[in-house]
Amino acid sequence: GEDVEQSLFLSVREGDSSVINCTYTDSSSTYLYWYKQEPGAGLQLLTYIFSNMDMKQDQRLTVLLNKKDKHLSLRIADTQTGDSAIYFCAEDNYGQNFVFGPGTRLSVLP
Amino acid sequence: ETGVTQTPRHLVMGMTNKKSLKCEQHLGHNAMYWYKQSAKKPLELMFVYNFKEQTENNSVPSRFSPECPNSSHLFLHLHTLQPEDSALYLCASSRSGADGELFFGEGSRLTVL
Repeated sequence: GEDVEQSLFLSVREGDSSVINCTYTDSSSTYLYWYKQEPGAGLQLLTYIFSNMDMKQDQRLTVLLNKKDKHLSLRIADTQTGDSAIYFCAEDNYGQNFVFGPGTRLSVLP
Repeated sequence: ETGVTQTPRHLVMGMTNKKSLKCEQHLGHNAMYWYKQSAKKPLELMFVYNFKEQTENNSVPSRFSPECPNSSHLFLHLHTLQPEDSALYLCASSRSGADGELFFGEGSRLTVL
């Protein structure tokens, strides 16, 4: 079946850029998503990219998609302590079959 | 505020209790989902309902029983649970079909003693 993989932990210093990476196996993915989960809360959609795009920028967030290598990344510029959370990569096929990665716990050090 | 509301936010129950988790969405979506999030494990899909019909049951034990009386409400009935069922249970909704962006509730944290 489809699989989504992420590294489990990332630590960065406040003000630095964070890059969270994700790989997936489903070549028929239509959308790829980044969700954020703060402590004690549910998942919130951060951003998403359609599979025919290479890059999407939204304020401090930059999503890069390499469809050939099935690699997705999320870059957070000027990382703040409020960005500390778990970030989930997810992919779907026309909303029929969401598959989530295990999540990357981002720790922002002062 | 995502438009998906889950109650209760926290629940502690014994192994012989019967309880229910409730999810409500005011987004006009037609698909609703139950996910389980355990520590150190990927998010697991449990059930999917499309237009009130269950379209997916991801090999979930029968001690979890979903109910979807209408497109806006989803329940998860719990009985004779095990301690390993302790987890965060997340409800989500989406439009069916293309652009199925998921909207998640805050989750119900369940502890089984």
